[in-house]
Amino acid sequence: AQSVSQHNHHVILSEAASLELGCNYSYGGTVNLFWYVQYPGQHLQLLLKYFSGDPLVKGIKGFEAEFIKSKFSFNLRKPSVQWSDTAEYFCAVNARVRGKLIFGQGTELSVKP
Amino acid sequence: GAVVSQHPSRVICKSGTSVKIECRSLDFQATTMFWYRQFPKQSLMLMATSNEGSKATYEQGVEKDKFLINHASLTLSTLTVTSAHPEDSSFYICSANPGTGGAQDYGYTFGSGTRLTVV
Repeated sequence: AQSVSQHNHHVILSEAASLELGCNYSYGGTVNLFWYVQYPGQHLQLLLKYFSGDPLVKGIKGFEAEFIKSKFSFNLRKPSVQWSDTAEYFCAVNARVRGKLIFGQGTELSVKP
Repeated sequence: GAVVSQHPSRVICKSGTSVKIECRSLDFQATTMFWYRQFPKQSLMLMATSNEGSKATYEQGVEKDKFLINHASLTLSTLTVTSAHPEDSSFYICSANPGTGGAQDYGYTFGSGTRLTVV
């Protein structure tokens, strides 16, 4: 069965600091990988996704993620965070096109102005 | 873009009663929908996969008789929490993937969620 692990439960940064959120998945086959963001009181929004091709994926709002197959990882990065990036971030994986999506535990990001 | 509409957004019910949550795909047909449960400050736990015209597929540990899922049409799936108890209080979210293939596929869209409080 698929599983997703996010290393950081709560990350606190100052504005302009760099961000990296870890995500590892457990599945032996081909997977599709996603990062979602959930702002307070809002529903999930897709930040970026990877399904094939260039392992470095660029998403919205300056976020990017790198898929490292040998490490089963899909870490999210942003060079310089803003206060408005304060939110909950979820890594997710599916093993089949339009199949069920399994989420990691989530990482709460707090950015201090 | 593809939209999933979920109702109600908030419901309070008494212990022992049943509550129905609706999830509609507004501008696409969804043969499959997914139901999640989210506890405060925690992740989305997949409860079940709803399949149009057939039985839902439940994840391990999810009580089929408590969480009844019906997917009667290509645009509507419902989750009924039967004989609700306070421990069923949670945030329930539905999702669907309207992808039609190609580079723009694999996009899931989520409902805005239903906050259920059982008193």
